[in-house]
Amino acid sequence: EPEVTQTPSHQVTQMGQEVILRCVPISNHLYFYWYRQILGQKVEFLVSFYNNEISEKSEIFDDQFSVERPDGSNFTLKIRSTKLEDSAMYFCASTTSRQFQYFGAGTRLSVL
Amino acid sequence: AQSVTQLGSHVSVSEGALVLLRCNYSSSVPPYLFWYVQYPNQGLQLLLKYTTGATLVKGINGFEAEFKKSETSFHLTKPSAHMSDAAEYFCAVTQNSGGYQKVTFGIGTKLQVIP
Repeated sequence: EPEVTQTPSHQVTQMGQEVILRCVPISNHLYFYWYRQILGQKVEFLVSFYNNEISEKSEIFDDQFSVERPDGSNFTLKIRSTKLEDSAMYFCASTTSRQFQYFGAGTRLSVL
Repeated sequence: AQSVTQLGSHVSVSEGALVLLRCNYSSSVPPYLFWYVQYPNQGLQLLLKYTTGATLVKGINGFEAEFKKSETSFHLTKPSAHMSDAAEYFCAVTQNSGGYQKVTFGIGTKLQVIP
């Protein structure tokens, strides 16, 4: 069974610091996503990425956030200056155009 | 536009009893529907999915769900609850419209299984 891999599983950072969350999507997938789940809340869409550009982003995905596919295999989410409210579980997902999205196990981000 | 409504943020059942978790969706085009399970401090695991074809879909761990277009529902059931079923369950929808497809999740239902 193919899987999406996310690293690290838990990231602790100080407020104001930059963090990069990493994802390795399934190798033949073309569409990539980040979602966020604040503790006790539902999973929310952040951004979708296709053909090396953002396809859609939510209102949560402001200028502090960016995504990149730097080397054709990794897919990263960068938060430039973390805030306390960025503490959440971040899920990466990937898909081909006609299949369901495969989700990674998530990275728990704790901003202190 | 798409949305998901899960009725009951917390559901308690006795071990061995029927599990019924309710989900209604809204979608402007034919939907793909999913149920995910999340155990404490873990990621999202796909339980089952409906894309096209048979409206009764079976998933892992004895769960099944039925797509009812007329009722815009996709309720999750299991005949006999097990202690290990205690978790949070998310219903989700995406649009069967090609191209990129963002997934919209419901708020989740926490299932408690009472011995």
